[in-house]
Amino acid sequence: GAVVSQHPSRVICKSGTSVKIECRSLDFQATTMFWYRQFPKQSLMLMATSNEGSKATYEQGVEKDKFLINHASLTLSTLTVTSAHPEDSSFYICSASKTGFEGGYTFGSGTRLTVV
Amino acid sequence: TQLLEQSPQFLSIQEGENLTVYCNSSSVFSSLQWYRQEPGEGPVLLVTVVTGGEVKKLKRLTFQFGDARKDSSLHITAAQTGDTGLYLCAGTGQGAQKLVFGQGTRLTINP
Repeated sequence: GAVVSQHPSRVICKSGTSVKIECRSLDFQATTMFWYRQFPKQSLMLMATSNEGSKATYEQGVEKDKFLINHASLTLSTLTVTSAHPEDSSFYICSASKTGFEGGYTFGSGTRLTVV
Repeated sequence: TQLLEQSPQFLSIQEGENLTVYCNSSSVFSSLQWYRQEPGEGPVLLVTVVTGGEVKKLKRLTFQFGDARKDSSLHITAAQTGDTGLYLCAGTGQGAQKLVFGQGTRLTINP
């Protein structure tokens, strides 16, 4: 299989604080992981591509200093939302690619971030 | 930037009816995938199509990839209330790893 675990599933934080979201590939190694953001009733928007051992590649319009990505091992990528504000409230989803797996992409179960 | 136009974005039909969802682009995709997403969860892969003209069936769902690999369709036969959900098409461009998503189709099957 190809299982991706994302944690936490829900988090509520105060405005101005930082929140870290973890994405783990449980039964395979992932040199590349992807972070998406999803607004209510909308599709997934790619935020960045996380590369193991190197800097993440951010999509246009995504603030790299706001959304810090670290991919320190072949099974873990983290997304830190720094100095969170209410407008950062959203559903964040990670995915990882497993070579040879049908379709190649497995998604985590998502993290609902609410900034109050 | 490769874009996927998915239609319709909302669809509400009665149980037992058939429906088709379309995913179109002006770009060529090396592969195209269909996902289903439940509220509060990540997308779950339904199928991947990679060959132009390819047709895949998954029980009552039929997926087709256009000959030119620029479009795809999802056809559901005799829809059931359990088919209710958000259906997403997504594709990877040639030589690219990242997955680009369509806008999604929110499907509601009424009993």
